[in-house]
Amino acid sequence: AQSVTQPDIHITVSEGASLELRCNYSYGATPYLFWYVQSPGQGLQLLLKYFSGDTLVQGIKGFEAEFKRSQSSFNLRKPSVHWSDAAEYFCAVGAGSGNTGKLIFGQGTTLQVKP
Amino acid sequence: EPEVTQTPSHQVTQMGQEVILRCVPISNHLYFYWYRQILGQKVEFLVSFYNNEISEKSEIFDDQFSVERPDGSNFTLKIRSTKLEDSAMYFCASRPGYGATDTQYFGPGTRLTVL
Repeated sequence: AQSVTQPDIHITVSEGASLELRCNYSYGATPYLFWYVQSPGQGLQLLLKYFSGDTLVQGIKGFEAEFKRSQSSFNLRKPSVHWSDAAEYFCAVGAGSGNTGKLIFGQGTTLQVKP
Repeated sequence: EPEVTQTPSHQVTQMGQEVILRCVPISNHLYFYWYRQILGQKVEFLVSFYNNEISEKSEIFDDQFSVERPDGSNFTLKIRSTKLEDSAMYFCASRPGYGATDTQYFGPGTRLTVL
């Protein structure tokens, strides 16, 4: 069965430090992978997505993610974190029979940024 | 920029009562979704809707749940007889329908509290 695991429930980094949020997936076929961010009181906003091609994908707000098939991973990175990046981050895989496009989410990682 | 809207932002109801959660997807989008997130747990897929019918549903989406697109703009989720365990944040999403890899846009959610 398809699944997504985010091993880190909560991460704290200092402002200006680099960030890596981990995501592992289980999916039989070529996965479609997504990272979403949720700020308090807001909906889920897409940061980036991967379907095929270049395994390093760039997203909004200076984020990037690397797809590694051999490790079944799709880790999210940012070289220098800003206080406004504090939020909850969700990794998801696009699944579903036919073309329904449903998303299967990981449990999320809460990012706290220290001044 | 177009966005998905949801009303109400917070709904409190008594166990056994019916509730209707409302969503206005982005105009011209073809696929519509409901997800829920119980506090402290993953975002879970409930149902997808396309061409005026359910295209996929999860095992959570039992006979107590129904969805409807009563007009050209609204998309609703009805829970006929709410249970305590239905307390959760409910997210609506829509996507254009170019393919399973296009982006799902999420609304801000409705927090449902069942007493």
